[in-house]
Amino acid sequence: GAVVSQHPSWVICKSGTSVKIECRSLDFQATTMFWYRQFPKQSLMLMATSNEGSKATYEQGVEKDKFLINHASLTLSTLTVTSAHPEDSSFYICSAYVNTEAFFGQGTRLTVV
Amino acid sequence: RKEVEQDPGPFNVPEGATVAFNCTYSNSASQSFFWYRQDCRKEPKLLMSVYSSGNEDGRFTAQLNRASQYISLLIRDSRLSDSATYLCVVNTGFKTIFGAGTRLFVKA
Repeated sequence: GAVVSQHPSWVICKSGTSVKIECRSLDFQATTMFWYRQFPKQSLMLMATSNEGSKATYEQGVEKDKFLINHASLTLSTLTVTSAHPEDSSFYICSAYVNTEAFFGQGTRLTVV
Repeated sequence: RKEVEQDPGPFNVPEGATVAFNCTYSNSASQSFFWYRQDCRKEPKLLMSVYSSGNEDGRFTAQLNRASQYISLLIRDSRLSDSATYLCVVNTGFKTIFGAGTRLFVKA
């Protein structure tokens, strides 16, 4: 199957700092990638749709100035959590589709202290 | 009402048992349906697609009832390695919606 690589797999940062998460499609091109957030024992919640060469589309309630998305190439999308706070601590996962199947990155566990 | 609802469980079953998970969805225009498996602290992985005619893959059987907007997953002869969270996933054509998942623990 297709491979989506996400980095880093975990990160601990201080409150107020910014964290960048990378999502790469390794063996296919992805014009669209999706960013999800998952809190413990909850479902994946779509945060935004990342579109190559254009602005991301954010879901209602997701602050676009806080969660910066850049999709500069067909194989890379980045999510930057700016001025992170403890409530931003969560599991962030990216995905891309090949036909109708979603392939996920390994996820990034963010802990803000 | 949630767009995709699942019984959160957990389901605790012995090895060899048969276990069934249910899922309901609210959007009647939903187009495609899937079951994903998610291990603890890992990313979800596709288990199987769900077709209107029902489909089987080894010990796993998935069924879809469009009239009732209901999806099911049956696991036969459950194994310790089946322990995971099973996510019901519905695609409306515009977006993909994940259920909160049903946790399964298979015990020796």
